[in-house]
Amino acid sequence: DAGVIQSPRHEVTEMGQEVTLRCKPISGHNSLFWYRQTMMRGLELLIYFNNNVPIDDSGMPEDRFSAKMPNASFSTLKIQPSEPRDSAVYFCASSFNQGASGYTFGSGTRLTVV
Amino acid sequence: AQSVTQPDIHITVSEGASLELRCNYSYGATPYLFWYVQSPGQGLQLLLKYFSGDTLVQGIKGFEAEFKRSQSSFNLRKPSVHWSDAAEYFCAVGTLTGGGNKLTFGTGTQLKVEL
Repeated sequence: DAGVIQSPRHEVTEMGQEVTLRCKPISGHNSLFWYRQTMMRGLELLIYFNNNVPIDDSGMPEDRFSAKMPNASFSTLKIQPSEPRDSAVYFCASSFNQGASGYTFGSGTRLTVV
Repeated sequence: AQSVTQPDIHITVSEGASLELRCNYSYGATPYLFWYVQSPGQGLQLLLKYFSGDTLVQGIKGFEAEFKRSQSSFNLRKPSVHWSDAAEYFCAVGTLTGGGNKLTFGTGTQLKVEL
């Protein structure tokens, strides 16, 4: 398996633009997580899906952030409009069987909003 | 609510020395506990996990961790550190919610290895 695949690896955008981050979980995994990592706040859980259904989005910072999981093999995290304070590394992770086999992380998307 | 505390932000050890990274958690039920490692510019790699059973768990790269319920701790150890172990280490607790487990991470411990 290729692991959790995130795209793009790097994204530089101007303030006010829409940004879409993509994630392909490991085939057969039924839970998907979006995390944000910054120096100031560390690793924060943004949203969590189980069987394609959003379970907990309490970590989504504000209405500018939205996430979807239209099927078991794809998820997006969208920021519209983007702001400089959204600059961070965004990680996607997936797991199976309530994490009994661990959680596998993608390589992340480094987002810079200028 | 669950939480994880890693009291040491930075640790420096000499190559070949032993290592212990501390982790304390707060959770009302029996937790699922994890240690992850992150090298610069990389994602997080699972080192080991604890769900139940033997409280001493073995992981990859020669790491082990011991779950101590009485102390709410899950400290990571390695008997002899290698220079390639320099990285950031994260402890995490998995809490059951909505039919699955979500991970809550500590703030991480940056490990530096002196040659």
